[in-house]
Amino acid sequence: GENVEQHPSTLSVQEGDSAVIKCTYSDSASNYFPWYKQELGKRPQLIIDIRSNVGEKKDQRIAVTLNKTAKHFSLHITETQPEDSAVYFCAAQSQNYGGSQGNLIFGKGTKLSVKP
Amino acid sequence: EPEVTQTPSHQVTQMGQEVILRCVPISNHLYFYWYRQILGQKVEFLVSFYNNEISEKSEIFDDQFSVERPDGSNFTLKIRSTKLEDSAMYFCASSVGDRGYGYTFGSGTRLTVV
Repeated sequence: GENVEQHPSTLSVQEGDSAVIKCTYSDSASNYFPWYKQELGKRPQLIIDIRSNVGEKKDQRIAVTLNKTAKHFSLHITETQPEDSAVYFCAAQSQNYGGSQGNLIFGKGTKLSVKP
Repeated sequence: EPEVTQTPSHQVTQMGQEVILRCVPISNHLYFYWYRQILGQKVEFLVSFYNNEISEKSEIFDDQFSVERPDGSNFTLKIRSTKLEDSAMYFCASSVGDRGYGYTFGSGTRLTVV
């Protein structure tokens, strides 16, 4: 089955700097890669996602890149702000044409701290 | 914006007791999921449900767990005989299709087994 590795586990940056979080996946059939932000005690919130037919996607200060050959994808946050502080999870979803398979496999998370 | 709602928000139960966690998915969604998150750890897939049957389950989802969609709107997770290690946040999620479209998490139920 799918396995997702996420690095780093913790990341501390100064306000205004960029933050990069990287994930690798094992299943070449995976074709959907969302990123979630989770604040303490709250649900994971989708912040951006990318599908395997796209190499890069950007939404204001957040971007995601995907390298299908290397099976890795990254989250880039520019001009970080203190409110970006949270745990960020990457995930991968396989597509199995033989049956319904919509479950997400999550990385272990990255705790991002943005210092003012 | 449509939401996935979960009840209760917090459940405390004694070891060995049965618990039922409830979820109301978004009305036009067809795929339903349960995930759990042990405190400080990653979100782990438990089970997916489509067309009134389990479509996939993880190794965590053993015989102590069951899911049901009893009335066409609620989606429940039952733990038959709770163990201390079942203490976690349980998230329900739903999606329009099985390819990630509109994948939405509920606010979670914190289960504490004492």
